[in-house]
Amino acid sequence: AQSVAQPEDQVNVAEGNPLTVKCTYSVSGNPYLFWYVQYPNRGLQFLLKYITGDNLVKGSYGFEAEFNKSQTSFHLKKPSALVSDSALYFCAVRDRGTGRRALTFGSGTRLQVQP
Amino acid sequence: GAGVSQSPSNKVTEKGKDVELRCDPISGHTALYWYRQSLGQGLEFLIYFQGNSAPDKSGLPSDRFSAERTGGSVSTLTIQRTQQEDSAVYLCASSLIEGNTGELFFGEGSRLTVL
Repeated sequence: AQSVAQPEDQVNVAEGNPLTVKCTYSVSGNPYLFWYVQYPNRGLQFLLKYITGDNLVKGSYGFEAEFNKSQTSFHLKKPSALVSDSALYFCAVRDRGTGRRALTFGSGTRLQVQP
Repeated sequence: GAGVSQSPSNKVTEKGKDVELRCDPISGHTALYWYRQSLGQGLEFLIYFQGNSAPDKSGLPSDRFSAERTGGSVSTLTIQRTQQEDSAVYLCASSLIEGNTGELFFGEGSRLTVL
């Protein structure tokens, strides 16, 4: 079975400060990992993914994430937060080995960036 | 089309009625997914279609839920004898399967309210 945990329901950060949104996963094999963002009253948008190779992945809007196999984590980071980054963020995983195509999503973390 | 299109965007129904939700995926995308987003619950996988293969129905919560995909394109999710706990946003997503690394493109969802 594949699962994702996002331990924080909400993260608050001041504009200009670095931000981190945490994600840990569980799969029986090796993972594909993803981050999606949902702005108010909008559908989910893809941010970035880890498939293989470099553990540090760069994505849209200046976001990046680091794959850590030993800690089974894939935390989302940004060096300097913007008010416009305020949204709901979802981490997702798919186990490469099972052949199951459906992503399993975490429960989401609301990011609030204060001016 | 340019993106995944879902209709209706909002549906209010009475308990016990049947509802149909429609998804029109991105042209050329062979994989189609339905997810359910309930308040504070994250995204719950419902069903996955891939080409002519048998769909993965493992996420459907009860036999009141069914879905079909006609001609490998448009999909309809049907909920029979709706219950109040069915109230949620139903999200459809599509993806390319060739070279697929799981990136999903989401519609804006159909918000279902069961009174």
